[in-house]
Amino acid sequence: SSELTQDPAVSVALGQTVRITCQGDSLRSYYASWYQQKPGQAPVLVIYGKNNRPSGIPDRFSGSSSGNTASLTITGAQAEDEADYYCNSRDSSGNHPYVFGTGTKVTVL
Amino acid sequence: QVQLVESGGGLVKPGGSLRLSCAASGFTFSDYYMSWIRQAPGKGLEWVSYISSSSSYTNYADSVKGRFTISRDNAKNSLYLQMNSLRAEDTAVYYCARDEVAARAGWFDPWGQGTLVTVSS
Repeated sequence: SSELTQDPAVSVALGQTVRITCQGDSLRSYYASWYQQKPGQAPVLVIYGKNNRPSGIPDRFSGSSSGNTASLTITGAQAEDEADYYCNSRDSSGNHPYVFGTGTKVTVL
Repeated sequence: QVQLVESGGGLVKPGGSLRLSCAASGFTFSDYYMSWIRQAPGKGLEWVSYISSSSSYTNYADSVKGRFTISRDNAKNSLYLQMNSLRAEDTAVYYCARDEVAARAGWFDPWGQGTLVTVSS
């Protein structure tokens, strides 16, 4: 099956912009979805499809895609955005329908 | 509101069995594919299994194939994961999640709160 690779950790100053990337062959065929996970909590969907936000997700979260790379951008990061972020996509290469990224820890300074 | 609630986790010895349940509410359960996703302590997310809306199709990660069985009861709005021949590496929080699929996309929303499975002697 495919793999999705993310940077292990990134930091961003309060109010600034941070981009989290996700790379993998499956992203050439499928859009990524993105999940936010805070310590001790279940993941929460923040972006899906081309660039869609579920109800209740602030518009500072946005998604984009180019080639084999998907990106999640937080514009004007807030303290409450400090969390782990995982990408996910359908998997075109093997027998398994889904693959998750390795996760990125976002620290808001 | 849309909600998923898992139960059935606990401590089990290697080689043992456990059955997880996930109770769904707030949506038409029988319209959706459902998945189990797990997270080992301090690790990332791993998709485990999915089942189609009518139970016609199932799929499993290689790591659990032949040991785990996913099932559902649409009359009871419930999803299950029967886990046999458990190993230490199966220790994780297990989440159930609703599958959504569109052209060129798939995602999980919502997720349950998770149930912890610990495999240890």
